[in-house]
Amino acid sequence: QVQLQESGPGLVKPSETLSLTCIVSGGSISNHYWSWIRQPPGKGLEWIGYIYYSGSTNYNPSLKSRVTISVDTSKNQFSLKLSSVTAADTAVYYCARRRYNYYYYMDVWGKGTTVTVSS
Amino acid sequence: DIQMTQSPSSLSASVGDRVTITCRASQNIGSYLNWYQQKPGKAPKLLIYAASSLQSGVPLRFSGSGSGTDFTLTISSLQPEDFATYSCQQSDSTLTFGQGTRLEIK
Repeated sequence: QVQLQESGPGLVKPSETLSLTCIVSGGSISNHYWSWIRQPPGKGLEWIGYIYYSGSTNYNPSLKSRVTISVDTSKNQFSLKLSSVTAADTAVYYCARRRYNYYYYMDVWGKGTTVTVSS
Repeated sequence: DIQMTQSPSSLSASVGDRVTITCRASQNIGSYLNWYQQKPGKAPKLLIYAASSLQSGVPLRFSGSGSGTDFTLTISSLQPEDFATYSCQQSDSTLTFGQGTRLEIK
């Protein structure tokens, strides 16, 4: 059974780059799309972007200028970088598998990791 | 961007009640609509995909319907473990979520 685990610093200073990794276990990263989603405290879910195992990406237009998602198939993991962070980027960050079965949906999620932007 | 609007934003109900949550898209999305359940401090859980397909392992009391711009999630008989926040999500190329509906115990 596929499981996802986010990892990375819990505290990032303003103007710096947030970096997170999602390790995929129990299955291969190949032949799937992989997403990052975040949830600010007390607010709804916001999609950040996704990557196909081959490396093609799609980003939320509102974050596109600051986001890079990459994949390392040899390590069965994918990563998120968000540059020039501000307090508004404080959130729980989730990674998820975006599955395709004639329709797209996110069927496996990590537990989430809290990132606080503060000096 | 496609905007997703859920109603109500919050809802109080009792165990055994039938509950319906509505999600409206700002443009036609066909059946590209998913529903998630989220409990405090936990990751979202997929309930319904493609508007009406029940995810494996999800109880049959959950059902989804609709197409185009108007969608509903129905819980036929509320159980104690169903009190949570429910979010819709359109699965077009640029994904967007509704703002969530918080289902509370009356």
